[in-house]
Amino acid sequence: AQKVTQAQTEISVVEKEDVTLDCVYETRDTTYYLFWYKQPPSGELVFLIRRNSFDEQNEISGRYSWNFQKSTSSFNFTITASQVVDSAVYFCALSGGGLGQNFVFGPGTRLSVLP
Amino acid sequence: DAGVTQSPTHLIKTRGQQVTLRCSPISGHKSVSWYQQVLGQGPQFIFQYYEKEERGRGNFPDRFSARQFPNYSSELNVNALLLGDSALYLCASSLGATGELFFGEGSRLTVL
Repeated sequence: AQKVTQAQTEISVVEKEDVTLDCVYETRDTTYYLFWYKQPPSGELVFLIRRNSFDEQNEISGRYSWNFQKSTSSFNFTITASQVVDSAVYFCALSGGGLGQNFVFGPGTRLSVLP
Repeated sequence: DAGVTQSPTHLIKTRGQQVTLRCSPISGHKSVSWYQQVLGQGPQFIFQYYEKEERGRGNFPDRFSARQFPNYSSELNVNALLLGDSALYLCASSLGATGELFFGEGSRLTVL
């Protein structure tokens, strides 16, 4: 069975601090995909990144960076110089490599960035 | 271009009633998935439809059903509503059968 764990329920930081959101996953699939989504108060889940299981290169996009480590089954997300607009719930998700799209989401981490 | 649109945005029902939620995918997207998100939890997979065929079903009772129309829009039906069905119902679309999902803002269902 697939499972995603986000151990941090809530995090509060002050603006301009760096913050890392942890994600640990479990799967028996050899091919799988990992995702991060942001959910602002409006409710819509906003896609941030997709990573496949064969690509362990870390990725940076502006203030966002992702660290994928297959050896520890982790896919952590770092926001550098956080801003108030980063306040949201962040979800890590896992999808198998089959034909379907049964995304397994973690419980989410609520990030509050204080001015 | 319009994103994924869902209707209604909010609705209130009583136990035992039936509800139909609607979703229009992003233009050109052929896959639609439905997720249930209970307050304080991550979304849970209900159904996926691709090219009007069911591609996947989550662990939900038969009271939940869905379909996809020739224009790729979709409906989710829930019969015999229970209090525990109160949740945000999210629809997502994608270009193909796999790949990243693009979500709508959801339909918030309250069952009294």
